[in-house]
Order: sequence, then C-alpha cells, then structure tokens
Amino acid sequence: GAGVSQSPSNKVTEKGKDVELRCDPISGHTALYWYRQSLGQGLEFLIYFQGNSAPDKSGLPSDRFSAERTGGSVSTLTIQRTQQEDSAVYLCASSAQTALGTEAFFGQGTRLTVV
Amino acid sequence: GENVEQHPSTLSVQEGDSAVIKCTYSDSASNYFPWYKQELGKGPQLIIDIRSNVGEKKDQRIAVTLNKTAKHFSLHITETQPEDSAVYFCAASRYGGSQGNLIFGKGTKLSVKP
Repeated sequence: GAGVSQSPSNKVTEKGKDVELRCDPISGHTALYWYRQSLGQGLEFLIYFQGNSAPDKSGLPSDRFSAERTGGSVSTLTIQRTQQEDSAVYLCASSAQTALGTEAFFGQGTRLTVV
Repeated sequence: GENVEQHPSTLSVQEGDSAVIKCTYSDSASNYFPWYKQELGKGPQLIIDIRSNVGEKKDQRIAVTLNKTAKHFSLHITETQPEDSAVYFCAASRYGGSQGNLIFGKGTKLSVKP
C-alpha cells in the first residue's frame, strides 16, 4: 500500500483479555516504531525495530506488553491481560532509515478501549 | 536515553501573527530533529526537519532553528492561518548504525484565531 496501515482501527475489549494490534509498514522501510497516545497527550515511545530486531524496548510499560516483527515487515503489538489504563490510541510509524535520518510516516492508529 | 522537553503546551495567536515553539533535548549525540503536525483524529505528519550539520532551515512560512551547543531547537510559523491550528510535536533522534530511535516532546496545541 501507499502508506502505513494499522488494524483494527478501533478495538473495544474487556478488562483482562489479550489484544493484538497490527502494523503494515511502507514496503522497504527498515525502521518501525510503536507509540502510545492517551487522550490529549503526547507520543509515548514504546518500542523501535530495525529490521526484525528491537534495539530499544525501553518504552514498554510492563511485561504485559510485547511486540514482534517478522520478515522485516509486519509488526504485532500484543497487550496481555488488558487494564483500563491501557486505553489509548496506539500509533505505528515506519521510515527508510539512513545515516542521515529520514521521515517517519505514521499510520492512522488503533484506538483501544478497555471496558 | 534521550529526553525531549517542549514548550509551551498550548499557544493561542491571532491570525497573521507568528508562533514559536521551543524544544530542548538531552542526548548530545542526537543528529536529526523533525517537527510533526497532528490534526484531530489523524496520525502525525512531518512538516519540516533539520539535521545537526545545519543551523536553520526554511520552507515557506515555516522555519526551524537548531542550536547544538545549547541543545535546543525551535519551530517558527509566520503569517499564521486558521488551518495551522493543530498539535505540533518536536522530536530528536540519533541516526546511524543500529541507532535511530525517535523520541517526541509532549506537544503544543496551537490555536489560530481568525
């Protein structure tokens, strides 16, 4: 596709259930980022992938959060035993990272609501 | 790790006035500084970026300045228009090798009054 695609666009889940959020980056982009944005708040960094490896997992808020990326393309963010405080918009971005730095393109996000 | 501070959190200007948003960063090795604009219900979009080998960059009504010594950079919007109303985010990154994480400030909500 032409841009970063995230699915689902909206997800309502019951507290305690597991959820999987998917990100399809722009083809050929080696870098992939996950962020969390609570209502009216900034972009909280969660995890960054370079290819299939994750050099920086420092933003994952707890061991209930995990992410993987396979084939240097699609990434999945998994939240286990969801809590109400996990409710937020989860944004994914990708970039054709070079030594000079290049634009990161964002998807539209997945709005997660834990009830 | 990198920490980016952004001020102000909200900014209200009259149409035609200028708006300035300032950011500081902590990692002296950061070398790429993009600015993003986020409209309601959408993902952030890049509006301008600057690399550490440049002190200033301009694109029509938007300009960004970088002071590496002081570790701060600023966004300047001149002749503001109502469609400039949005949330603006600064970010810092250390590109090269296995680096490249992109850390954002907390955002500035800009309101341009007609």
